[in-house]
Amino acid sequence: AQTVTQSQPEMSVQEAETVTLSCTYDTSESDYYLFWYKQPPSRQMILVIRQEAYKQQNATENRFSVNFQKAAKSFSLKISDSQLGDAAMYFCAYSIDSGGGADGLTFGKGTHLIIQP
Amino acid sequence: EADIYQTPRYLVIGTGKKITLECSQTMGHDKMYWYQQDPGMELHLIHYSYGVNSTEKGDLSSESTVSRIRTEHFPLTLESARPSHTSQYLCASSTGLAGLTDTQYFGPGTRLTVL
Repeated sequence: AQTVTQSQPEMSVQEAETVTLSCTYDTSESDYYLFWYKQPPSRQMILVIRQEAYKQQNATENRFSVNFQKAAKSFSLKISDSQLGDAAMYFCAYSIDSGGGADGLTFGKGTHLIIQP
Repeated sequence: EADIYQTPRYLVIGTGKKITLECSQTMGHDKMYWYQQDPGMELHLIHYSYGVNSTEKGDLSSESTVSRIRTEHFPLTLESARPSHTSQYLCASSTGLAGLTDTQYFGPGTRLTVL
């Protein structure tokens, strides 16, 4: 079974600084997808960024980028120029491409990100 | 935000009651999912559906049941609610198209409390 591990229950960063959230996963598959989701307090879970395992290039979305190390099974999220609105729970997630699209996501336990003004 | 809706947002109910949590999406997505998010925030898949008349159980065993009679609608039912069912329930949907990254879009969740 696939597992996703987020070893940082909570992280704190000063506004405008850079923070990196860690994620490792375990799988025997060669094709899969990795995601970072953000869940603000009492708000909807939204996708931050995604990475296809067959792509060597790291995904970026504005201030968000990932460091995908396939051999090490590591998938960290870097948030540059942190803003107060970035405060949320961040979940790393894994899914396998079953040909009919991904089945359910396997989530890590989440990292609570605090932004200090 | 994605066009996926859940009602009610909050529900407090007594033990033994039957409840149905509603989930609807207007994106025409074939695949829909139910996740249970415990107080420690960890999420677990409890049900999913590939399309109309298709339902499957997820990784986490659940006493709830689901149905998929219409593409846009994926309700979850608890026949007899118990305090152990207290949790947040998140519904999600995705295109399910082969060969594409299958991004899941989430609803706002239903926070259920069983007394």
